[in-house]
Amino acid sequence: DVKVTQSSRYLVKRTGEKVFLECVQDMDHENMFWYRQDPGLGLRLIYFSYDVKMKEKGDIPEGYSVSREKKERFSLILESASTNQTSMYLCASSSTTGLRYEQYFGPGTRLTVT
Amino acid sequence: GEDVEQSLFLSVREGDSSVINCTYTDSSSTYLYWYKQEPGAGLQLLTYIFSNMDMKQDQRLTVLLNKKDKHLSLRIADTQTGDSAIYFCAESTGNTPLVFGKGTRLSVIA
Repeated sequence: DVKVTQSSRYLVKRTGEKVFLECVQDMDHENMFWYRQDPGLGLRLIYFSYDVKMKEKGDIPEGYSVSREKKERFSLILESASTNQTSMYLCASSSTTGLRYEQYFGPGTRLTVT
Repeated sequence: GEDVEQSLFLSVREGDSSVINCTYTDSSSTYLYWYKQEPGAGLQLLTYIFSNMDMKQDQRLTVLLNKKDKHLSLRIADTQTGDSAIYFCAESTGNTPLVFGKGTRLSVIA
C-alpha cells in the first residue's frame, strides 16, 4: 500500500513564526502536491513538484514556499505565518507511469495560527 | 480552465441508495475518480473509471459516466452510517494535478 505521512496531525503556531510542514511518501512517486482545505472552498492547490528540486505554483502559492531535496520528501514552508493560513493542509503523491495519475493523500495537518 | 462541480450536501436514510453527482468541463479527461474523506482524515481513493467506459461496479459502489454530458455519478447501495463522509469527484487530463470538485457531504440518518 502507498503510504504518505505528514509530520504532525495538529500544530499551533504564533503569527510571524516560520512553519515547516513535512511530507514523506514511500512509493517512489515522482509527483508530490500540497493542498489546503477550508470549509466551503474544497481543496486548493498550493504547490506541486514533478521531480527533485523542481516546483510549480498551484492556484494559491502566495505566502508559501516549498522544498524538494529528496524524491520522497516534500516540505511546505510558511515564511511568516498569518492567521489566514489557519487551515487543514494535505499532502499527496502520484506516479507518472501508465495512464492513471491518481493521487494518494496523507492524513493531513491541522494548523492553527494564533 | 477545467472545472468540476458537485452539490455540497446529501442526506439519506440508512439502507437507502445514495447517488452523488458530478459534472466536469474538460472533454479530454482520461480518468475520473471518486475519493472519500472521513472526519479529520485525508482523502482515500474509492474508485475510478476510464473515460471510454460507461459503468464500473465495485461491491456496493456503482460509477456511471455520461461522456457526452460530462456527467459522473457515484451510487452507494444499502448506505450505512459508516458511509457518512465527504465525497470528492476528480478528473485527470494527463500528468497534471487532478482537478477536484468541492466535495459532497453525505449524511446518513439511522
